[in-house]
Amino acid sequence: KNEVEQSPQNLTAQEGEFITINCSYSVGISALHWLQQHPGGGIVSLFMLSSGKKKHGRLIATINIQEKHSSLHITASHPRDSAVYICAVMGAQKLVFGQGTRLTINP
Amino acid sequence: EAGVTQFPSHSVIEKGQTVTLRCDPISGHDNLYWYRRVMGKEIKFLLHFVKESKQDESGMPNNRFLAERTGGTYSTLKVQPAELEDSGVYFCASSQELRSEQYFGPGTRLTVT
Repeated sequence: KNEVEQSPQNLTAQEGEFITINCSYSVGISALHWLQQHPGGGIVSLFMLSSGKKKHGRLIATINIQEKHSSLHITASHPRDSAVYICAVMGAQKLVFGQGTRLTINP
Repeated sequence: EAGVTQFPSHSVIEKGQTVTLRCDPISGHDNLYWYRRVMGKEIKFLLHFVKESKQDESGMPNNRFLAERTGGTYSTLKVQPAELEDSGVYFCASSQELRSEQYFGPGTRLTVT
């Protein structure tokens, strides 16, 4: 079992839908990152959080330290949101990554 | 400000050959990380430099991999001799402080045939 588990692995939705991607981890962490990778593109950091909730535009990330769980939400999804979303946790001094969630938003 | 850059973007080599990947971090970032994603698997940590010193190289798969960061600026990752299982995408990231946000490079796709 991976130390970081994401669900779902694949998600297809229609434009405008509310999207939720989940991340559960089993190790102690100092912070959790949500990353985005577009097809053929590099990795972009969306959020780094250690408690509570952060919002940037249509993206919202939450974390529950006690439950070792984080969610990434996308409101009013758009085809340009289609990408792989990766959860990564910072342990002692290094990132441990989930397998990623491939999101496809159809027009 | 320039982001993290990596060179080459794609390399195709034969088994047994040597390949050197380069990473230029964001200027002033002391922390430099190498990661790798092999087909179908999650991204895995390889090693971490603080300036020119190797802070953690616990993720390096074997002694065919050698990373250097002379002068604490750019870093190279050499694979010698390359094997088929080394194929994947190699990412570099840098951060200003330990445990602060990491900025990723575009990656080098390595194909060993």
